[in-house]
Amino acid sequence: AQKVTQTQTSISVVEKTTVTMDCVYETRDSSYFLFWYKQTASGEIVFLIRQDSYKKENATVGHYSLNFQKPKSSIGLIITATQIEDSAVYFCAMRMSNYNVLYFGSGTKLTVEP
Amino acid sequence: GPKVLQIPSHQIIDMGQMVTLNCDPVSNHLYFYWYKQILGQQMEFLVNFYNGKVMEKSKLFKDQFSVERPDGSYFTLKIQPTALEDSAVYFCASSFDSAETLYFGSGTRLTVL
Repeated sequence: AQKVTQTQTSISVVEKTTVTMDCVYETRDSSYFLFWYKQTASGEIVFLIRQDSYKKENATVGHYSLNFQKPKSSIGLIITATQIEDSAVYFCAMRMSNYNVLYFGSGTKLTVEP
Repeated sequence: GPKVLQIPSHQIIDMGQMVTLNCDPVSNHLYFYWYKQILGQQMEFLVNFYNGKVMEKSKLFKDQFSVERPDGSYFTLKIQPTALEDSAVYFCASSFDSAETLYFGSGTRLTVL
């Protein structure tokens, strides 16, 4: 069965620092896609970054980057130089290549303080 | 990024009534989805839709639920009749193909009284 686990329910950091959010997943498939989304206070869900399982290089988009450790089934999200507006709930998600269903983790609430 | 629009943002109805949630997906996207989020919890897959047909659905997609996209207009989720446990935020999403990233709308908060 497919499962996505985010053990950190909430994190608080000071702005301009770096934060890492953890995510581990379970799948028997050899090919899959991993995503990070954030949900803002208004409820909007915004796509941030993705990692395809066959790619060895960690994805990077702006101040978001991923720490993909395939042997550990882990896909951490790293946000550098955090800003107040990064405060949100961050969801990790996974989809298998042959099954068009996105499985979400329970989310990590990030609070960035001045 | 690409925008998915959902109408209305909030709907309040009495239990047993019918409700239709509307979604305007990204214009060139071909795959459409509905997800359900109960307050404070993770989003859960309901159904996906391609080429006029339901491709996959979860156990949450009860018999009272139906989806369609008539004549390429709104992608709709209809619940008939509604139950109290249907109260949640329903998110529509779309993607260009099955391997591409899903883009979500802002959700419709459904309250069943």
